[in-house]
Amino acid sequence: SQKIEQNSEALNIQEGKTATLTCNYTNYSPAYLQWYRQDPGRGPVFLLLIRENEKEKRKERLKVTFDTTLKQSLFHITASQPADSATYLCALHTGRRALTFGSGTRLQVQP
Amino acid sequence: DGGITQSPKYLFRKEGQNVTLSCEQNLNHDAMYWYRQDPGQGLRLIYYSQIVNDFQKGDIAEGYSVSREKKESFPLTVTSAQKNPTAFYLCASSAQGDRDQPQHFGDGTRLSIL
Repeated sequence: SQKIEQNSEALNIQEGKTATLTCNYTNYSPAYLQWYRQDPGRGPVFLLLIRENEKEKRKERLKVTFDTTLKQSLFHITASQPADSATYLCALHTGRRALTFGSGTRLQVQP
Repeated sequence: DGGITQSPKYLFRKEGQNVTLSCEQNLNHDAMYWYRQDPGQGLRLIYYSQIVNDFQKGDIAEGYSVSREKKESFPLTVTSAQKNPTAFYLCASSAQGDRDQPQHFGDGTRLSIL
């Protein structure tokens, strides 16, 4: 069956360290992958989109990689801050004109 | 400011009752979407619409209905046939339904059973 998997366990890191979140997928061949941030009780907010022909994409302290051979995307936040604490969702287009989301990984940055 | 407005923020449903969740956008987006989110889980697609007067079922459409009579509006009705409606409902829109367009979300409606 088709799956998008993100680590369901929360990731706890110290302020200033780099957070790395993983998104793995099976049985898809997405041309694009997106990452969103969701705060409690709020809707997700778009962060970054990466295309299959892009190995890496950066935006300020954020970096996303996309390995279509491994079927994996990594999402990095460098110099993390307590304000980065949130749930991060990856999403793919899976053959229909709508996104399919992973279950998200909660990041907690300790001061 | 452009964005998506969902109302109400909290909604309570009685047994056997249909309730309608509102979603309005002023982003001039063609595509709109409804998702359901249960605690600790990701978003599951209920319905989506690429254009006015057209919509498609998502993964969990049973017990829900939608309409798309206007570009800016995409209301969701949770019918009495939906036996477990308690969840956080999110509406989103995108410029087109194409794969490289980000989705813009509202701040959700939390539905509970009385």
